[in-house]
This record gives sequence, C-alpha cells and structure tokens, in this order.
Amino acid sequence: GNSVTQMEGPVTLSEEAFLTINCTYTATGYPSLFWYVQYPGEGLQLLLKATKADDKGSNKGFEATYRKETTSFHLEKGSVQVSDSAVYFCALSDQTWGQFYFGTGTSLTVIP
Amino acid sequence: SQTIHQWPATLVQPVGSPLSLECTVEGTSNPNLYWYRQAAGRGLQLLFYSVGIGQISSEVPQNLSASRPQDRQFILSSKKLLLSDSGFYLCAWVLGETQYFGPGTRLLVL
Repeated sequence: GNSVTQMEGPVTLSEEAFLTINCTYTATGYPSLFWYVQYPGEGLQLLLKATKADDKGSNKGFEATYRKETTSFHLEKGSVQVSDSAVYFCALSDQTWGQFYFGTGTSLTVIP
Repeated sequence: SQTIHQWPATLVQPVGSPLSLECTVEGTSNPNLYWYRQAAGRGLQLLFYSVGIGQISSEVPQNLSASRPQDRQFILSSKKLLLSDSGFYLCAWVLGETQYFGPGTRLLVL
C-alpha cells in the first residue's frame, strides 16, 4: 500500500541555519509528492510539489527532489528564518483515484 | 480563481450536542472533496471524501457523518458530540493532482 514516513520532531534551529526534514514514501504506482506547511491556527498550504522522478520542487527558498531510487522527498532550505516556524507535512497522491497520504508532520521552531 | 470556505471558524459545544460544519468551494465544478480531522499536535486523519453529489465514502467509523447536498457544498455532522471529537477540522478539494485546504474549523467539546 501507500504510506509516507517523515522525521519526528520537534526541530529547533537558530536563524540562518540549514534545514533538512526527511521524508520517505512507499507507493505501488507513480505518485506525485508534496510538501505542505501549516502555520499556527491555519489550514495547510501547498509549499511545493514534484510529479515525477528527478523533478525538483521549489518555493520560498525551500527545495525537495523526487528520488525514486531512494523513495525519498527530503525538504531543504539553506537559511531558515523565524517566519519559517510551522509544521511541515510530506504527502503523496495516488493518482489512481485521488487518495492522498500524509506524514505525521514535523514541527519546526526557528529562534532568533 | 478557486477558493474554499469553511465555517464557523471556531466552535465550542457541550458534550451530547449536535454538530454541523460547512465547506463550500467556489470557482470549480464537480470537485473531489475531503474532510480531515487534526487532533492537537497530531497529523491528519481522513474522515470522509466525496466524488460527487450524494456520494460519500467513510474512512473511519465513528459518530460523525457527511453529506454533499450540492456540487460545491460538503457538510460534516454529528447527532451527539463526544469529548474526543475536539480538534481542528479541515476541508480540502483537488485540482489536478494537488489537494488544497480550507482555513479550518476549530472545535472544542466541553
């Protein structure tokens, strides 16, 4: 079946530090992969996505590359800011019938 | 452009009372719609999804129900709330292969 596993949090970093949040997946077909961000008290917002192997999604300084050989989609940012403090969710889409699978979320706190 | 609305934004209800949460999508037709629940500090739990009017699939058996009376309206209901129903309820829809979320309703059952 399909599933997503992402690193446990919480993660605390100093401003301008490098960020990596690991995400691996299990899928029976050729899923699309996503990172969503949830700021306190809000719904989930799409951060970036990749629809096929070797695609790189990027947005707001965040990047993730769809690695089929390692079934991974790790989120990275070179220099985090306090405003990046949020919960980050990795997800995959089973395009067969529109089902989505989410990781458990990783809480990030960036301190000045 | 497409937008998704949820209301109310916040709700405090006593145990045993009924519930009705509404989700409305604008700017699209015949969307796939989803209800998720997020308990405090937890991940997302898919509750229901719908591929069309009157078509509801339940992922988790519980005291909640869902209905889709119109193409762009999705309603989450309960006849009697439990303490464990507290959480953040998110409605979502799909465009292409991407899922988009509403702002959420925070429900506190006392």
